[in-house]
Amino acid sequence: EPEVTQTPSHQVTQMGQEVILRCVPISNHLYFYWYRQILGQKVEFLVSFYNNEISEKSEIFDDQFSVERPDGSNFTLKIRSTKLEDSAMYFCASSKTPGQTNEKLFFGSGTQLSVL
Amino acid sequence: AQKITQTQPGMFVQEKEAVTLDCTYDTSDPSYGLFWYKQPSSGEMIFLIYQGSYDQQNATEGRYSLNFQKARKSANLVISASQLGDSAMYFCAMRDGNSGGYQKVTFGTGTKLQVIP
Repeated sequence: EPEVTQTPSHQVTQMGQEVILRCVPISNHLYFYWYRQILGQKVEFLVSFYNNEISEKSEIFDDQFSVERPDGSNFTLKIRSTKLEDSAMYFCASSKTPGQTNEKLFFGSGTQLSVL
Repeated sequence: AQKITQTQPGMFVQEKEAVTLDCTYDTSDPSYGLFWYKQPSSGEMIFLIYQGSYDQQNATEGRYSLNFQKARKSANLVISASQLGDSAMYFCAMRDGNSGGYQKVTFGTGTKLQVIP
């Protein structure tokens, strides 16, 4: 069964450093998402991406965050200057088509980001 | 405003018994979809079951069923014949049109289920 893959599984960085989290969505999916989950807490929406542009973003997704689909297969989340509170599990997800209520999200296994 | 509410932070159930995990939601959109995801300790998010707002019957997937009460805006997950492998975090989620074209899926805070042998 096709799956969303995320790399790396764990990332440790120093506060103030830039990190790039990588995702390969399922190949025929058109909608891509980033969510984050601070340890044991709620899964929070960050951003959705469709047709090479951001379609929606949350208040968490401020100027230090950016997303990109650089080559038609990868989908990346960049955090420009990491803060301690950015430590979380970051999930990439994709769905096949936009605009339908029954479109479930397929999640990757997540990247655990630790900011020291 | 909180769109998805899960009031049970933790639940225990005896192996082989049934358990109900509560979820209430809030939306003004008549068209929406409700999902349940399971997150075991390994961290991945596993889709369990889906219920559409216009579906006439409650959704079922194997041992999982969704008790959908539209007027009460509740979508409780029922797990029958609990197994030790059901021990996990369970998230209720919703996709509606209020976020702009059914793009965003909003999650509740989750319920941690522990199955006791």
